[in-house]
This record gives sequence, C-alpha cells and structure tokens, in this order.
Amino acid sequence: SQQGEEDPQALSIQEGENATMNCSYKTSINNLQWYRQNSGRGLVHLILIRSNEREKHSGRLRVTLDTSKKSSSLLITASRAADTASYFCATDGYGNKLVFGAGTILRVKS
Amino acid sequence: DTGVSQNPRHKITKRGQNVTFRCDPISEHNRLYWYRQTLGQGPEFLTYFQNEAQLEKSRLLSDRFSAERPKGSFSTLEIQRTEQGDSAMYLCASSFPQLSPLHFGNGTRLTVT
Repeated sequence: SQQGEEDPQALSIQEGENATMNCSYKTSINNLQWYRQNSGRGLVHLILIRSNEREKHSGRLRVTLDTSKKSSSLLITASRAADTASYFCATDGYGNKLVFGAGTILRVKS
Repeated sequence: DTGVSQNPRHKITKRGQNVTFRCDPISEHNRLYWYRQTLGQGPEFLTYFQNEAQLEKSRLLSDRFSAERPKGSFSTLEIQRTEQGDSAMYLCASSFPQLSPLHFGNGTRLTVT
C-alpha cells in the first residue's frame, strides 16, 4: 500500500518550461520528502519540508506543503532535459519508515 | 562517503531457486531499509534495521523472505523458493538519524523465469 498519490502520473514539457507535480497523502506527518529517480537507478533525495513549514526552496526547486489539505507540490523552474526522471513524494506518517507514492514521470523535451 | 552499494546489480534466476542480495550502507548510518519496486510504482517498504536489530517487517515480507544485518554493518536479503511475482527492483537505503533523507543504492533487479 502507498501513502501518497502523485498527480499527474506523467508530464511532458519543453525545455525551459516549468513543471509542477502534486502529492496528496492520508495521515498526519512530521515531514514530507521529494525524491528523483532516473531510469534503472536508485532514488536521490531532493528536498525535505517539515510539517511546520509551508514553503521551501532549493535551487530551481520549490516545494509547498498544506497540512490542512494533506497535499504538497513540487515546482521545477526552467526545466532542462536532464530533469527527465520519475519524481516521488514520501511521508513518515506510518511510523519509522518512509512511504512513497506511485510517482510522476517527467519528460523534458529539448 | 562512498554511497550505498548493492550487489549484484542484476540477477536472473529460475523459479524455485534461492537468491541473496547484499547491501553495504554508508558506514556511519545506523538505519538500513529494504524496499521493493515494480515497474511504474513507487518503492514499497519491506523491512528496516537499526544497527543489527530488525525493528519492523512489512506484511509484504512473506516467510520466504529473510533479512539480516550482522554486526550492524552490511545487510543481506534472501528470497527462498523464488516465484515470478518476486521479479522486481530491490532497493536498499540507509540514513542517520532516523528518517533524515534516505540514501539509496542503485538496486538489484531480480528477474525470475
């Protein structure tokens, strides 16, 4: 079973455009994390946002968190072909482990 | 920090055979996690260790699966009597302290024929 649901399932954009992915979850959390996965590789941590934070930035990434709606969004600005990957949100609402959503597949066309 | 290492990268086995995977976490990380990922899905939690103690196992982890982490260092995941449904990517991750960002290995892709 998976805690989060990402939306959309797949996203295709042109290089230079912004990409927005959304994540909804079901339980109370301490923090929410976003990860990226290139095809056939492990996941790479992008950003962590705590439940008492509403927005966080890291380079071209902006993450928002709305605990009242149990949702988060990841914005990638000025996308590049190298951003092509799957993106997953993960939450800690089920104890001492991270539970991942099904992910959003992002394709950035050059 | 040499990263999390998993071996082998790929394993093809016949149904009914036993397989064992190894994970070497980042040396100072006391938490080690195993996840399974099938095509088009996110990683699903299997089990985790704090040092050498296995603290939680998912219901996904049937009695054919066993994991160990002797001496709190590397970990092994064994699957006995493999079934075609076991075909997946098996991912290992480590962290310190708990639930800080997970550092993942590149996984072991298992194909059961």
